[in-house]
Amino acid sequence: GAVVSQHPSWVICKSGTSVKIECRSLDFQATTMFWYRQFPKQSLMLMATSNEGSKATYEQGVEKDKFLINHASLTLSTLTVTSAHPEDSSFYICSSGGNTEAFFGQGTRLTVV
Amino acid sequence: GNSVTQMEGPVTLSEEAFLTINCTYTATGYPSLFWYVQYPGEGLQLLLKATKADDKGSNKGFEATYRKETTSFHLEKGSVQVSDSAVYFCALSDQGSARQLTFGSGTQLTVLP
Repeated sequence: GAVVSQHPSWVICKSGTSVKIECRSLDFQATTMFWYRQFPKQSLMLMATSNEGSKATYEQGVEKDKFLINHASLTLSTLTVTSAHPEDSSFYICSSGGNTEAFFGQGTRLTVV
Repeated sequence: GNSVTQMEGPVTLSEEAFLTINCTYTATGYPSLFWYVQYPGEGLQLLLKATKADDKGSNKGFEATYRKETTSFHLEKGSVQVSDSAVYFCALSDQGSARQLTFGSGTQLTVLP
């Protein structure tokens, strides 16, 4: 199947700083990238949908000014957690793909201290 | 809205034991159903899927049957191996849009030799 490469796989940052997470589609063009978040013992929840060359669509309750998404090319989408706080500590994962299967990145474990 | 309820873990089994991970869903219309697996340090990978009622998805010895009458998609394997140790996610998507998924909370499976 297609490959989506996500990094970093884990990051620890200080409260108030920003963290950028990258997702690259290595062998296909990702016109759309989905960003999910998972809190401990909870489901993966869709945060936003990014489309190449246009603004991202955010799910209800997700702050677009806090979670900045950029999808400037067909192979790269980034999620920046701005002014991170401990409550943003979570597992973030991206996915893309066709209509029959989604391809996921490896996920990023963010810990804000 | 759509939702997926998945058996809580963690689940610990001995090698060659029988595995069942329960999954039930709530959705409008006729969703497609998936099981994804995440091995340590890797992204989610599609394990199997079913797109209509009574379909059985199967892969690597795992099976799940789409039961519309009970709104279930339980994952089973007759004889687990140590290499099956991973986190398993049940998910659904609206028909024709496998890229955007609603997930269960995931079940950690550990198989002991």
